[in-house]
Amino acid sequence: EAGVAQSPRYKIIEKRQSVAFWCNPISGHATLYWYQQILGQGPKLLIQFQNNGVVDDSQLPKDRFSAERLKGVDSTLKIQPAKLEDSAVYLCASSSSWVRREAFFGQGTRLTVV
Amino acid sequence: ELKVEQNPLFLSMQEGKNYTIYCNYSTTSDRLYWYRQDPGKSLESLFVLLSNGAVKQEGRLMASLDTKARLSTLHITAAVHDLSATYFCAVVVTASKLTFGTGTRLQVTL
Repeated sequence: EAGVAQSPRYKIIEKRQSVAFWCNPISGHATLYWYQQILGQGPKLLIQFQNNGVVDDSQLPKDRFSAERLKGVDSTLKIQPAKLEDSAVYLCASSSSWVRREAFFGQGTRLTVV
Repeated sequence: ELKVEQNPLFLSMQEGKNYTIYCNYSTTSDRLYWYRQDPGKSLESLFVLLSNGAVKQEGRLMASLDTKARLSTLHITAAVHDLSATYFCAVVVTASKLTFGTGTRLQVTL
């Protein structure tokens, strides 16, 4: 079974530029998460989708971050404009609606803002 | 707001020794996960604990959940170098929202 796919793996941009990340969840998984992990910290939830609806985006900096999940499958996360403090690994995860509901994570995108 | 705290934050232990990592959370939950993260890698699911009193074991790792005390433990038996990694607990409170702990960086030395 294919895992969660993310691209790109690495991205370096200058501050005030924009960037987009892509995630393809495990087939059939209704729930999709985007997490931000700053070096040395635990992952912080940015946004959670259930199918193509937003369940929680309370920690998403909406003035610069946006996310969408078209047709309840793939998702993109965009940052515009980027700040230095956005340097982090952006992790996408998905989970099914079954009992265990454990989240499976992709490899992440390491963003460096210079 | 849910708070998930782990201790210790950093653990250096010798091979062959036993130790326990603790995960405390502030709001009632009956679902808790443990993940492992190697440097520069993503998170790997280790255990899913779904009810009070749940105990799961895999190799040298054993996880348990006490929902009344809002506490989960990850016990390491006879540590080996391959267990060196950062371990996270994650708690679900509502709508499958997964909140992660601060992480425990484990270093196993010879």
